[in-house]
Amino acid sequence: AQSVAQPEDQVNVAEGNPLTVKCTYSVSGNPYLFWYVQYPNRGLQFLLKYITGDNLVKGSYGFEAEFNKSQTSFHLKKPSALVSDSALYFCAVRDPNTGGFKTIFGAGTRLFVKA
Amino acid sequence: EAQVTQNPRYLITVTGKKLTVTCSQNMNHEYMSWYRQDPGLGLRQIYYSMNVEVTDKGDVPEGYKVSRKEKRNFPLILESPSPNQTSLYFCASSTWAGGPVSEQYFGPGTRLTVT
Repeated sequence: AQSVAQPEDQVNVAEGNPLTVKCTYSVSGNPYLFWYVQYPNRGLQFLLKYITGDNLVKGSYGFEAEFNKSQTSFHLKKPSALVSDSALYFCAVRDPNTGGFKTIFGAGTRLFVKA
Repeated sequence: EAQVTQNPRYLITVTGKKLTVTCSQNMNHEYMSWYRQDPGLGLRQIYYSMNVEVTDKGDVPEGYKVSRKEKRNFPLILESPSPNQTSLYFCASSTWAGGPVSEQYFGPGTRLTVT
């Protein structure tokens, strides 16, 4: 079955340090991969996506992600974390086996950035 | 302002009392979808719609109905709500130009409690 895994429930990092939020996927075919962020009492906001091309994609608020086909991973990264980055992060894939109509989300990773 | 709106934002109801959660988008998007968010499970897709009068089931459609009579609206109907439908619900939309390569725009969420 198609799935998305975010192996860490929570990631803690000090302000100014680099951060990584991990995501692996199990989808046959070429996946369409997305990262979203959710702040308290808000809907999800789009951060970045990988569709094709360069494996390193850049997105909003200084975030980037690296697509690794051999490891089926799409980890979210930021060189220098801010306290305001503290939020819930979701990795998602639009399943190519359904024409992209179905979206599968990971369980989410809570990022806590300490000042 | 481009947005997805949902109403109501909060709803407490009793088992068996039919309810409708409305969703509207002003971006002329073809694709719309409903998700439920539960702790530890991330977002799970309930139904999606590829365009007017075209809908299909997501991963957790049981107990829900949808309709897409107009492009901008995609209401979620719970004909006989049960306590296991207590959850946070999100509506989302995206353009379908070029296929499933576009990010989804999310509404602010509807917190539903069924007693």
